[in-house]
Amino acid sequence: SAVISQKPSRDICQRGTSLTIQCQVDSQVTMMFWYRQQPGQSLTLIATANQGSEATYESGFVIDKFPISRPNLTFSTLTVSNMSPEDSSIYLCSVEITGGYNEQFFGPGTRLTVL
Amino acid sequence: GQNIDQPTEMTATEGAIVQINCTYQTSGFNGLFWYQQHAGEAPTFLSYNVLDGLEEKGRFSSFLSRSKGYSYLLLKELQMKDSASYLCAAIEDYKLSFGAGTTVTVRA
Repeated sequence: SAVISQKPSRDICQRGTSLTIQCQVDSQVTMMFWYRQQPGQSLTLIATANQGSEATYESGFVIDKFPISRPNLTFSTLTVSNMSPEDSSIYLCSVEITGGYNEQFFGPGTRLTVL
Repeated sequence: GQNIDQPTEMTATEGAIVQINCTYQTSGFNGLFWYQQHAGEAPTFLSYNVLDGLEEKGRFSSFLSRSKGYSYLLLKELQMKDSASYLCAAIEDYKLSFGAGTTVTVRA
């Protein structure tokens, strides 16, 4: 398994501002992902954070709105830009552990409320 | 893409058995995961099936039929702490697609 931390754990932000969420893993991992979980709903993949290259975004998510950095194999950031109340959600990072089932382990999440 | 269906909610009594079904339609399939998510917490990995058949892990078992696009998670000897949302997720290449989750409520 892996120990994953996220900062901040929660935040309340004003419309039009941006928030950067950090994800730190205690070991080097190849695959890191960012998900969104809106209230009462399941997880939706935003993008795959690639080390050394641009993130790969899923349909409906764009780099201008959700820029992602992956400077090394243990760290990634997701920025939620120009926020609106519709961005209120839980944002989770996950990592894939190779050698087992390739299951993904999730960070504790960042609960974002946009006023 | 993936289309994953599971019931919205289920209720059972302590000590009973509950079976959560999941059906999926996918253009490429590399396996199926089950996760447990307690309210306000991150999902935690429960099981993984890639071949047809039953995988047993203590009180939890998971079954897969690839030809039918069907899986179930079986929870035995239910405990109050099992009250949670259970997420079915299919993996295509390296990407997980999640169902909407089944909220299981265990009653005394």
